Amino acid sequence: DAKTTQPPSMDCAEGRAANLPCNHSTISGNEYVYWYRQIHSQGPQYIIHGLKNNETNEMASLIITEDRKSSTLILPHATLRDTAVYYCIVRGGNDYKLSFGAGTTVTVRA
Amino acid sequence: EAGVTQSPTHLIKTRGQQATLRCSPISGHTSVYWYQQALGLGLQFLLWYDEGEERNRGNFPPRFSGRQFPNYSSELNVNALELEDSALYLCASSYRGGSYNEQFFGPGTRLTVL
Repeated sequence: DAKTTQPPSMDCAEGRAANLPCNHSTISGNEYVYWYRQIHSQGPQYIIHGLKNNETNEMASLIITEDRKSSTLILPHATLRDTAVYYCIVRGGNDYKLSFGAGTTVTVRA
Repeated sequence: EAGVTQSPTHLIKTRGQQATLRCSPISGHTSVYWYQQALGLGLQFLLWYDEGEERNRGNFPPRFSGRQFPNYSSELNVNALELEDSALYLCASSYRGGSYNEQFFGPGTRLTVL
C-alpha cells in the first residue's frame, strides 16, 4: 500500500530551482517525511527529512503543508549532477526499513 | 568522514555457487541494513543487524543469510545462487536501529548470476 504519491518524471533547467511534490494524505502524527535520491546504478543518497516544520540543509529545503498531507522538496539551483530518481518516503513508528516507490525521475537539462 | 563502503563492486557467479558481500558502516553506526534492488524493481528489504544480532529479515528464502561482526561490519551470504538473484545489493547503516534514524547507503555490489 503506497503511502506517498509522486509524479513519474519532471524536467528542470540547469541553474533554476526544482520543486518536487509529494502527496502523503494518510500520514499519521508520528510519521516523518524523508527524501532520498538515487543516481543511476549508485546507492541511494539521504537528502533531508522533517516532521511538520520546514527544514533546510546544504542540499535542499523541505516544505511541509500545515495539514501535513503533502510536501515539496526544493533543490534551489539544480545542476546536471542532480539528475536522479527522487524518492519521498513516509516513515515512523516501527518502520525500521525503507520502502521506495517508483519515485520521480528528475532530468536537469543544460 | 568515510561513508558506508561495500566490496566487491561487481561480482559474477554461476548458478548454484555462493556469493559473499561485505559492508563497513559509517564509524559510530551500530545498525546495518541489507537491501536488494533488482532491475526495474524497487528496494526490497533483506536483513537488519544491530549490535551484532539479526533484528529482522524480509521475505527472502533462508539461503540469504548474514552476520554482523564486533566492529559492526557485516557480511551477506547468498547460497545456491539463482539467475533471479542478479541485482544491486545495497548496504545502509544508521546510528541506532529502528525508525527516525536516517540510513546512509553504500555504493552497492552488483551481483550477476550466469
